[in-house]
Amino acid sequence: TAGITQAPTSQILAAGRSMTLRCTQDMRHNAMYWYRQDLGLGLRLIHYSNTAGTTGKGEVPDGYSVSRANTDDFPLTLASAVPSQTSVYFCASSERGITDTQYFGPGTRLTVL
Amino acid sequence: GQNIDQPTEMTATEGAIVQINCTYQTSGFNGLFWYQQHAGEAPTFLSYNVLDGLEEKGRFSSFLSRSKGYSYLLLKELQMKDSASYLCASMDSNYQLIWGAGTKLIIKP
Repeated sequence: TAGITQAPTSQILAAGRSMTLRCTQDMRHNAMYWYRQDLGLGLRLIHYSNTAGTTGKGEVPDGYSVSRANTDDFPLTLASAVPSQTSVYFCASSERGITDTQYFGPGTRLTVL
Repeated sequence: GQNIDQPTEMTATEGAIVQINCTYQTSGFNGLFWYQQHAGEAPTFLSYNVLDGLEEKGRFSSFLSRSKGYSYLLLKELQMKDSASYLCASMDSNYQLIWGAGTKLIIKP
């Protein structure tokens, strides 16, 4: 199985433009998460979804939105990108919820200029 | 506030043993995770401790002391492929994960 896939692998984006980072899992996990990872900082949760049809805000949700129309897909949208959103973005999933092992996708490296 | 502390970088020799420490201060506690992350790759799960004591999985062991807010990851018989960052994450009473910045482990021959 592929596990979790993310697209694109990397992207350079002009400030003010919008972008959607894609995340798909084939493990039929209920919970999915979006993190950003910045040098010298721990992973920070942006948004999460405990099950299809529900989403919640994490530690750093401003400037980002998500949707969970089905079990497999959890896209992250930046409506109007700013340079501070330059980061590596990881999507993750877990079978039931936050107490379970999280499986991470390969990441998307985003640069906002 | 909530905080996770772990050393930024450690160096060890191939074949040796290394202990990576993690101290946490969170509002309540529902377990502690260790993940491994090779450079440019995704984190992968290593261990989860919720009770005090040592849990061993092959060359890797993880220890937890809830009263001290302390955990460590012990890596034995180090191999070059163990060169990676090791992330500690504590789950608070609201079941939110608080992640440390990671410890970069450099293995030398």
